[in-house]
Amino acid sequence: DAGITQSPRYKITETGRQVTLMCHQTWSHSYMFWYRQDLGHGLRLIYYSAAADITDKGEVPDGYVVSRSKTENFPLTLESATRSQTSVYFCASSEKGTSGYNEQFFGPGTRLTVL
Amino acid sequence: AQSVTQPDIHITVSEGASLELRCNYSYGATPYLFWYVQSPGQGLQLLLKYFSGDTLVQGIKGFEAEFKRSQSSFNLRKPSVHWSDAAEYFCAVRGGSYIPTFGRGTSLIVHP
Repeated sequence: DAGITQSPRYKITETGRQVTLMCHQTWSHSYMFWYRQDLGHGLRLIYYSAAADITDKGEVPDGYVVSRSKTENFPLTLESATRSQTSVYFCASSEKGTSGYNEQFFGPGTRLTVL
Repeated sequence: AQSVTQPDIHITVSEGASLELRCNYSYGATPYLFWYVQSPGQGLQLLLKYFSGDTLVQGIKGFEAEFKRSQSSFNLRKPSVHWSDAAEYFCAVRGGSYIPTFGRGTSLIVHP
């Protein structure tokens, strides 16, 4: 399917377990982003990437790891999940077109619950 | 540095009434400005965007926004709200980098 997809859509895990959230985009966009959305906090940037093998920390990176070996994939790993990481996670991508807008396109989200 | 403020956490309107959602930004020059909508259980969808040209921008779903440089505002409007417009609305600003800053969002409640 064309666009940006996330998997799984729902995940329940236990404290201390490793969890990986997947993000895949079919547009070959250069930029990719991971956000978490929590009530009262809006969207907070976890990590972002400008291209394959180039990643950088956002506002709330602690406890998360990313990689980007291929342009189209940007997995987010929680190395040892904690209850505070219960949230809805959104992946987004953008490309610098001729207009310069770089608007972001969002995936449908992954709802993660850490027990 | 860039920042954006959405002063209203919740807005309640009756179906058929007009709507205005407020967005104020801070940036040294004219930034790229965006409005996104998030329906329950879904990701964000772009409603409209602005950087230059006509200060009144038309978007999808009958929404429009007006850029006012003097007020550093980019308010979203719709002349007649439908029940399906109930959602969370996010204003975003992007300056020189490729990373936008999002507002906290405004939750729109539509009464029948």
